[in-house]
Amino acid sequence: QKEVEQNSGPLSVPEGAIASLNCTYSDRGSQSFFWYRQYSGKSPELIMFIYSNGDKEDGRFTAQLNKASQYVSLLIRDSQPSDSATYLCAFYGGSQGNLIFGKGTKLSVKP
Amino acid sequence: NAGVTQTPKFQVLKTGQSMTLQCAQDMNHNSMYWYRQDPGMGLRLIYYSASEGTTDKGEVPNGYNVSRLNKREFSLRLESAAPSQTSVYFCASSEDPTQYFGPGTRLTVT
Repeated sequence: QKEVEQNSGPLSVPEGAIASLNCTYSDRGSQSFFWYRQYSGKSPELIMFIYSNGDKEDGRFTAQLNKASQYVSLLIRDSQPSDSATYLCAFYGGSQGNLIFGKGTKLSVKP
Repeated sequence: NAGVTQTPKFQVLKTGQSMTLQCAQDMNHNSMYWYRQDPGMGLRLIYYSASEGTTDKGEVPNGYNVSRLNKREFSLRLESAAPSQTSVYFCASSEDPTQYFGPGTRLTVT
């Protein structure tokens, strides 16, 4: 059974701090990893994807991938209250060509 | 360019009633998916369609049927709704591994 593990949180950080979200995955052969953000009552929206070991930066967001440790993380710099949401980690590994999602980490950024 | 659209947004059914959830995408994607999301369970794949004319079961297909009407449209049918099917249903489409989600349908079965 292919799985993604995430700490459900809630993770609470003060405004302006760095939020660190972590995820481990079971499929050693997976090549593609995704971070989605989901506001309460809304649908998941893609933040970033990463295919290669190392870091990938996009604005205030940095995704980090370590395939040897089967670990992917998302750093949010200068966190804002508008970043408060649930963050879903996913990897491409389903036999149907689908994404396998974690249950999400709830982030709360306090003003 | 609307992306992925879903109708209805909300629905309340009585046990045993049937209904069809509609999904359409205008991104010319080949693959489309139906997920359900329940508290504490994450997103679970119900059915998927790799291309027009093909469908396949996902993790939780029991109680559901699907139709890939054409490249744009992928519908999900509940033939005899049960309270266990109370959930939020998301349709998604993709051309590569990246998936794009519709706004969801919140279904309550009483």
